[in-house]
Amino acid sequence: TQLLEQSPQFLSIQEGENLTVYCNSSSVFSSLQWYRQEPGEGPVLLVTVVTGGEVKKLKRLTFQFGDARKDSSLHITAAQPGDTGLYLCAGARGYNTDKLIFGTGTRLQVFP
Amino acid sequence: EAGVTQFPSHSVIEKGQTVTLRCDPISGHDNLYWYRRVMGKEIKFLLHFVKESKQDESGMPNNRFLAERTGGTYSTLKVQPAELEDSGVYFCASSQGSYRGIYEQYFGPGTRLTVT
Repeated sequence: TQLLEQSPQFLSIQEGENLTVYCNSSSVFSSLQWYRQEPGEGPVLLVTVVTGGEVKKLKRLTFQFGDARKDSSLHITAAQPGDTGLYLCAGARGYNTDKLIFGTGTRLQVFP
Repeated sequence: EAGVTQFPSHSVIEKGQTVTLRCDPISGHDNLYWYRRVMGKEIKFLLHFVKESKQDESGMPNNRFLAERTGGTYSTLKVQPAELEDSGVYFCASSQGSYRGIYEQYFGPGTRLTVT
């Protein structure tokens, strides 16, 4: 059973388009982190969301944590080829716990 | 400041052999974690050290895996004897501590292990 489902799995878009990646679960998470991973490298932390309904912005990236803390979304505005990569959500089930549960990932390809 | 480093970047061994992976966390980070991604699956937690002590090893697949963290600095993960299903990418991460109970983990580049 996959605890964190990401959708879509793959996304190929043209430069300048907008996109949204979803991370869904039936379980509650105390926090959720979004990472981006490029080939041959480890996941790089983009953002951590903690409070239900929280919205964080990182330049053209907007992250939202669901009100019930069971889901999250990543929206990219005007995608650039440099946004290409594997996007991963990862959640912690309880407070003061270190074990991250990862989603399956969304592979994004942005064409110029 | 140097990030999390891992060695080797890639290892190819035969079934039954032993392999030792090394992780050097970010300086000053007491928390060190091992994760693994096997082909086609999501990244999964293996274990967590706080300094030299194992805080949580609930993700270790079996007793062929042995993790150590000497002196609370670098960590090693030994697989002995290796099996085909151990192939995958092994990631190490470290964190300094918690903010509001949240541990932000910083990952190394991973070691790709191939068992033939």
